[in-house]
Amino acid sequence: DTGVSQNPRHKITKRGQNVTFRCDPISEHNRLYWYRQTLGQGPEFLTYFQNEAQLEKSRLLSDRFSAERPKGSFSTLEIQRTEQGDSAMYLCASSLKLAGGPNEQYFGPGTRLTVT
Amino acid sequence: DAKTTQPPSMDCAEGRAANLPCNHSTISGNEYVYWYRQIHSQGPQYIIHGLKNNETNEMASLIITEDRKSSTLILPHATLRDTAVYYCIVRAGYFITQGGSEKLVFGKGTKLTVNP
Repeated sequence: DTGVSQNPRHKITKRGQNVTFRCDPISEHNRLYWYRQTLGQGPEFLTYFQNEAQLEKSRLLSDRFSAERPKGSFSTLEIQRTEQGDSAMYLCASSLKLAGGPNEQYFGPGTRLTVT
Repeated sequence: DAKTTQPPSMDCAEGRAANLPCNHSTISGNEYVYWYRQIHSQGPQYIIHGLKNNETNEMASLIITEDRKSSTLILPHATLRDTAVYYCIVRAGYFITQGGSEKLVFGKGTKLTVNP
């Protein structure tokens, strides 16, 4: 399978614990995005990387959230001191940006986080 | 990015064409119309996109009005597996040196139910 993969698929954690999610994009895709989706809502943009550089962060990304893409390939999203409001589906997408014109983003299956 | 307006829900009989409308009256000249769908508990899936002309691929057709203020996604022969939330998104493209994220801004979409 050459699509976007995310691990774990499900995570249950207690409030106050730290969690880390991993995203493996489609090979050679230079852009990687993180989104968050709560029940009944469309996905909301969190941050994106072009290669290893994090170029934009949403206001939704509080200081408890940090994302990395150290070698321009896989990415991790860490949430520190989780809160119940962090319960959501965390989606990763990747794309190949070459020139002008927006590019299609391909999504992974998501990681569903439940904070108890 | 411009906003879009979609009906919250639609029904379609299996085997018939599903026509999903989208209004984007404030679309700018450099903004594309993108359609994604999200089947329950999965990540969003890219369907099709267009700028001015009508487009067709193996999944669907996209009809954009001449004034570009609205569009229609057509699934020519809907199946039960097409039951999903369909998102219409308008977004600009940027040259890679301009640094625009081209993030997707999702609304609530249209919940399409295909009935047997």
